[in-house]
Amino acid sequence: DGGITQSPKYLFRKEGQNVTLSCEQNLNHDAMYWYRQDPGQGLRLIYYSQIVNDFQKGDIAEGYSVSREKKESFPLTVTSAQKNPTAFYLCASSIDPSSGRRISETDTQYFGPGTRLTVL
Amino acid sequence: AQSVAQPEDQVNVAEGNPLTVKCTYSVSGNPYLFWYVQYPNRGLQFLLKYITGDNLVKGSYGFEAEFNKSQTSFHLKKPSALVSDSALYFCAVPYAAGNKLTFGGGTRVLVKP
Repeated sequence: DGGITQSPKYLFRKEGQNVTLSCEQNLNHDAMYWYRQDPGQGLRLIYYSQIVNDFQKGDIAEGYSVSREKKESFPLTVTSAQKNPTAFYLCASSIDPSSGRRISETDTQYFGPGTRLTVL
Repeated sequence: AQSVAQPEDQVNVAEGNPLTVKCTYSVSGNPYLFWYVQYPNRGLQFLLKYITGDNLVKGSYGFEAEFNKSQTSFHLKKPSALVSDSALYFCAVPYAAGNKLTFGGGTRVLVKP
C-alpha cells in the first residue's frame, strides 16, 4: 500500500449523516483519485484531482464531495444524498512532478488500504 | 469507449500448476493495460503494465502478462502458482484525459494446496 494512508479502516454511519473519509499520501504525487468498490464489481471512479485546489467529477460523483487544499490530502465526504453508500472506498495517487512530465495514461496509480463504510 | 472484460469470475488451480487470468480489451488508439491484485480487505497492488514494445511484460511476484493485439487480450500468467496467490485480480485500462482507470469486474483466484 506504499505511502498512501486511509482512515478509518472501518466506518459506520447512520442514515442521514455525512461522513468524511481521509486519504493522505507522502509520495509527492500530484494526482489523487477516489474509487468505490462494490461486491462482484470492479472499481468505479468517484472524483479525481490533478493538482491542488482543482478536482473533477468521475463516473459516480452524485452524493459525494471532495476538497484538495493540500497536495498530500484528498478527503472524501459521503453525504446523505448518496442513496447507497455502503461500499469499500479506495484512494489512489499517481505521478511525481519531479519527473518533469505531465500526467499521462501510462502512469501507474498506487492505492491505499481502503475504508469500508457501512450504513446502519 | 475504452473498456476491459474479465470473462471468468473465478479461477481454481492447484498449487504448482500454471495460472492464467484472462483479460480482453476494447480501446481506440494505443492500448495501455494494467494488472492489479487485491488481497482480502486490502487496497490494490500494482503488478505490471503494458505500454509498448515487448509483448511479454514481466511484473511483481513472478507474474507476467502477454499482450496480443490480434486477439485484443492481455492475459496474466504465472508458471507455478502459490497458495499465497489466492486473491482478486483486476485488469484496467486508462480512459479519457487525466489517467483515469476503468476496471474489469475482477477474477477471484483460488490456489489449492
